[in-house]
Amino acid sequence: SSELTQAPSVSVSPGQTARITCSGEALAKTYTYWYQQKSGQAPVLVIYEDNKRPSGIPERFSGSTSGTMATLTISGAQVADEGDFYCFSTDITGNHRVFGGGTKLTVL
Amino acid sequence: EVQLLESGGGLAEPGGSLRLSCAASGFTFTTEAMGWVRQAPGKGLEWVSDISGSGSGSYYGDSVKGRFTISRDNSKNRLFLQMNSLRVDDTAVYYCAKVEVRRLNFNYYYVDVWGNGTTVTVSS
Repeated sequence: SSELTQAPSVSVSPGQTARITCSGEALAKTYTYWYQQKSGQAPVLVIYEDNKRPSGIPERFSGSTSGTMATLTISGAQVADEGDFYCFSTDITGNHRVFGGGTKLTVL
Repeated sequence: EVQLLESGGGLAEPGGSLRLSCAASGFTFTTEAMGWVRQAPGKGLEWVSDISGSGSGSYYGDSVKGRFTISRDNSKNRLFLQMNSLRVDDTAVYYCAKVEVRRLNFNYYYVDVWGNGTTVTVSS
């Protein structure tokens, strides 16, 4: 299967931990990437290869995987972290590039 | 600083054509894969196409295969997307993307740098 499934929305209060999940059969064998897209802006890579942070991404962003589910965790979420988050990977054949449907994070 | 600047978006009629261009700077263009990702209004991200640094290999998403053609001019640090037989559902913001390729257990192609996007509207 080439689908990646995300919950449409997640809401937390400032300072709480936000967890955004992505599920898909392929994730048991493939790496997951995460993008943050703030309103009106281009996406930004925040996690690559499951749990690595690009330079410049705050330490409060972390990634993990378990079986067919990947999780993006934002520890101590801030209002500035609001936006849409997309998971991304390849399908099980390695032949298709696939985005999840996106999760809207609200911090208020 | 890596910069990607798209141009060529606009209004086209169903069945028509448009050619997008992306001017790249701040990195060695010829060694990097490049691609296009789009986002329909109010919708999520969709990988459209990518091309190897040499231009010898390319990939297309199922929804654009046979209608869109990706190409590059390494002498001018430019990436192109020729869009033919346009449909209303091709309406989207098209992002130029620098694509990182990692050959691990699978071959992973992911965007590490995004342009600001150019808007394509297909309507009669």
